[in-house]
Amino acid sequence: EDKVVQSPLSLVVHEGDTVTLNCSYEVTNFRSLLWYKQEKKAPTFLFMLTSSGIEKKSGRLSSILDKKELFSILNITATQTGDSAVYLCAVGSNDMRFGAGTRLTVKP
Amino acid sequence: EAGVVQSPRYKIIEKKQPVAFWCNPISGHNTLYWYRQNLGQGPELLIRYENEEAVDDSQLPKDRFSAERLKGVDSTLKIQPAELGDSAVYLCASSSVTGVTIYFGEGSWLTVV
Repeated sequence: EDKVVQSPLSLVVHEGDTVTLNCSYEVTNFRSLLWYKQEKKAPTFLFMLTSSGIEKKSGRLSSILDKKELFSILNITATQTGDSAVYLCAVGSNDMRFGAGTRLTVKP
Repeated sequence: EAGVVQSPRYKIIEKKQPVAFWCNPISGHNTLYWYRQNLGQGPELLIRYENEEAVDDSQLPKDRFSAERLKGVDSTLKIQPAELGDSAVYLCASSSVTGVTIYFGEGSWLTVV
């Protein structure tokens, strides 16, 4: 059975801290891994990863995929209160399976 | 460019009543998804359309849920009759090619009382 496991489930940090969110997976068919940020509404797209070892970067956020070890990490440096959200990982091909998410709380 | 549009945003109904959700995907996106998201969990796929064809509905509870995508554009998701456990956010999403970036609508928040 396909599964996507995110860790930690929740995380509380202070502004300026650096955080690393994890996503491990076991899926039958892999085409891509997607990261989303979800605040009090729909998930918004962050990154799409398809190849191992190539870092995707956008401002303070970056992500990398390891297809051999079947995981991805999402890094956020110099966190801000606006980064507080649930971060979702989705993996698969035609059927993207989502993890339960990591709830990040950034305190001032 | 307009994003995925859903309505209604919020709906409160009594159990055993019917409810319907509407979705208009991003223009040109052939693939449309309906997901259900329960509190504290990630979205769970209910059904996926390629144009007007439902190509994956294995997770759709067919005894009470139905969906259609007439003309391969807009889609509706219906629940009849609703149960307390159906309370969730129903997310519609679309993508241009299956398996690449999926864009979500704002969601329809359903509460069954």
